[in-house]
Amino acid sequence: EPEVTQTPSHQVTQMGQEVILRCVPISNHLYFYWYRQILGQKVEFLVSFYNNEISEKSEIFDDQFSVERPDGSNFTLKIRSTKLEDSAMYFCASSEFGQGAHGYTFGSGTRLTVV
Amino acid sequence: GDSVTQMEGPVTLSEEAFLTINCTYTATGYPSLFWYVQYPGEGLQLLLKATKADDKGSNKGFEATYRKETTSFHLEKGSVQVSDSAVYFCALSEGYNFNKFYFGSGTKLNVKP
Repeated sequence: EPEVTQTPSHQVTQMGQEVILRCVPISNHLYFYWYRQILGQKVEFLVSFYNNEISEKSEIFDDQFSVERPDGSNFTLKIRSTKLEDSAMYFCASSEFGQGAHGYTFGSGTRLTVV
Repeated sequence: GDSVTQMEGPVTLSEEAFLTINCTYTATGYPSLFWYVQYPGEGLQLLLKATKADDKGSNKGFEATYRKETTSFHLEKGSVQVSDSAVYFCALSEGYNFNKFYFGSGTKLNVKP
């Protein structure tokens, strides 16, 4: 069964450093997403991406965050200057259709720890 | 705004016990409702879904019925197995905002042999 692949599975970084979280969506999917889950809290929407541009972003997704699809297979989330409160599990997802009723396929997540 | 509330865990059951994980939602429109499951070390997997009131989603012995009158989508399974041990997430997607999911906080299920 096709998978969404995320790397690395765990990343530790120092406060103020830049991090790039990487995702390889399913090859025929056109819609891409990032979500995050701070420990003990809900999974929260960060951003959706379609046709090489952001289609929607949440209040969390401020100027410190950016997304990119640098080639035909990768989808990245960059945090420019990490803060302690950015520590969370970050999930990438992709879908063939934009309509939420079809559901997404999620990756296994990257646990980001900012120290 | 839209939100999902599900029962806190962990829930610990013996094998073959009956499972219920409660989920209620708040939505302004006509959402689609989902249960996702996360097994240890893996991603979120779609378990089942229902797209309109009174629909029943089912998969792998799990089922949930979309109840508009009680704004609920409780997950049930008649006889759990050790392999069902995982974290279960209830979620909704609004009809007018197809790009975004709203998740509950997740309920961890531990099934003992």
